[in-house]
Amino acid sequence: EVQLVESGGGLVQPGGSRRLSCAASGFTFSGSWMHWVRQAPGKGLVWVSRINNDGSNTIYADSVKGRFISSRDNAKNTLSLQMNSLRVEDTAVYYCIRGRGFGEFDWGQGTLVTVSS
Amino acid sequence: QTVVTQEPSFSVSPGGTVTLTCGLSSGSVSTSYYPSWYKQTPGQAPRTLIYNTNTRSSGVPDRFSGSILGNKAALTITGAQADDESNYYCVLYLDSAFWVFGGGTTLTVL
Repeated sequence: EVQLVESGGGLVQPGGSRRLSCAASGFTFSGSWMHWVRQAPGKGLVWVSRINNDGSNTIYADSVKGRFISSRDNAKNTLSLQMNSLRVEDTAVYYCIRGRGFGEFDWGQGTLVTVSS
Repeated sequence: QTVVTQEPSFSVSPGGTVTLTCGLSSGSVSTSYYPSWYKQTPGQAPRTLIYNTNTRSSGVPDRFSGSILGNKAALTITGAQADDESNYYCVLYLDSAFWVFGGGTTLTVL
């Protein structure tokens, strides 16, 4: 069974940093492209980033480019999202996603990041 | 900036059929955008219903089907049931790089 367990959410001040992690199990992590998607309270889904299977290629939505960095440790089956220069509008539930290809996504349960003073 | 469009809300009677659509602010949706659909009930993580235009994810009943209708992607639900009442999101793969979600459709079964 595919399991994706996010952690690292919490309250952070504007301008601060936060690192999210996603522990993956139940599939070949090193062979999978991974994504982050977020959802602000009461709002819709927004794709944030994608990293390829060996971590050599990442791509980001314009709203986070230059501030967020996605990385992975295939030896530990872990995906990470380093979030810097956080803004109030980054407040959201962040979902870790395994991409199976062509839009088939396996979703984690999400972790809430609140950016507020 | 390209926007992916969905109806904000829709209603269907129990046992009825409803078609939700997913379009582009400019241009037509084609299979090359790999339109995919997700269902989310409040407080829960989304789950994949349809991917690659018309392929049902594992365990999804055949009451759910995907297609291209005109210039949009479509999700059709036949024989609507009470637990189909949810938010439905589509996503498109744009510029061969980015996934962009639509704003979601809130479906009411009444």
